[in-house]
Amino acid sequence: SAVISQKPSRDICQRGTSLTIQCQVDSQVTMMFWYRQQPGQSLTLIATANQGSEATYESGFVIDKFPISRPNLTFSTLTVSNMSPEDSSIYLCSVDDGTISGANVLTFGAGSRLTVL
Amino acid sequence: QKEVEQDPGPLSVPEGAIVSLNCTYSNSAFQYFMWYRQYSRKGPELLMYTYSSGNKEDGRFTAQVDKSSKYISLFIRDSQPSDSATYLCAMSPISSGSARQLTFGSGTQLTVLP
Repeated sequence: SAVISQKPSRDICQRGTSLTIQCQVDSQVTMMFWYRQQPGQSLTLIATANQGSEATYESGFVIDKFPISRPNLTFSTLTVSNMSPEDSSIYLCSVDDGTISGANVLTFGAGSRLTVL
Repeated sequence: QKEVEQDPGPLSVPEGAIVSLNCTYSNSAFQYFMWYRQYSRKGPELLMYTYSSGNKEDGRFTAQVDKSSKYISLFIRDSQPSDSATYLCAMSPISSGSARQLTFGSGTQLTVLP
């Protein structure tokens, strides 16, 4: 399965600032997925990043708050804009494992833990 | 009501104990059932997956699916301190590979005490 590198692994940010998280995959993939993981809550899909087109956002997430870039088939970035303490969370990049036909099995990066003061 | 419910724990057991982790769900369209393990400061990694109903065994781990009851379980035999992690259930209908159809439980935090 793919190997995913994410950075930063953690950061402490000030309210009102923006932070960009980078995700690098060791193989070419069509779709990359960005998740948010808040304490005690389910993994929540933020958006799907496709190369060559705009990202597809899930309900409750908007491009102005979470702009995504996908310049090629191995790289994506997620920006958390105008941060507030409510944005404190772990953000995870993932790709389809591709080994189990018909199932949505994902491989995840190690995550980026953001704390907003 | 959430589509997938998972007891958050935390669950603490002595080394060697049998651990049972469970999820219930409401969507009868779910066909694939997965368990992910997430160590502290790491991303989730796939532990086991099952298609439709039945049991699947892999070493000390057994996954069970009861579609009639909409209930899935993960059993860990002879638990080890290295099993200490958060376990996430996940499920999806048969799909074309979009994570949009994947639904996660909130995770159960397990600690195995030496």
